[in-house]
Amino acid sequence: GAVVSQHPSWVICKSGTSVKIECRSLDFQATTMFWYRQFPKQSLMLMATSNEGSKATYEQGVEKDKFLINHASLTLSTLTVTSAHPEDSSFYICSAPVPNAGGGTEAFFGQGTRLTVV
Amino acid sequence: SQQGEEDPQALSIQEGENATMNCSYKTSINNLQWYRQNSGRGLVHLILIRSNEREKHSGRLRVTLDTSKKSSSLLITASRAADTASYFCATGGGATNKLIFGTGTLLAVQP
Repeated sequence: GAVVSQHPSWVICKSGTSVKIECRSLDFQATTMFWYRQFPKQSLMLMATSNEGSKATYEQGVEKDKFLINHASLTLSTLTVTSAHPEDSSFYICSAPVPNAGGGTEAFFGQGTRLTVV
Repeated sequence: SQQGEEDPQALSIQEGENATMNCSYKTSINNLQWYRQNSGRGLVHLILIRSNEREKHSGRLRVTLDTSKKSSSLLITASRAADTASYFCATGGGATNKLIFGTGTLLAVQP
């Protein structure tokens, strides 16, 4: 199956600093990628849709100036958490859709990034 | 974004028993998918069932879909300790390809 690589797998940063998370499709091209956020023992909440060559589409309630998304190539999307605060501490996961033989699309996920802001 | 509801929230069973998880959703769908997540890891796709299908099998997995009730169930037969994980249903896809996930069921299989 398709492989999506996310880096780093974990990061600790100081409050007020920015953190960049990378999501790469290794063996396929992804014009679209998705960024999710997951709090402990909760489900994934879609944050935004990353579109190659154009602006990201953010879900309601997600601050686009705080969560900067760049999709500069067909294999790389980055999420930058700017001026991070402790409440931004969470598990961030990216995914890329791939057509499924059974119809529709199947999402392939990165390994996730555990962000801790201290 | 709207989220599906899953029940139970948590399920603990013995190895060899069957595990059933249910998912209810709110909008019309093209398909419904089930994913598995091991603790602190990304998600792995398990199975996709289309809106015109009522039941689908994959190995020890059996998925049903009732579009009139907007609900789906995932059955894992002959469970193993390695099945311990969180299981999520997801709806969406379509033109935007984005998936909306259910609240998840945490399954613990005791050896």
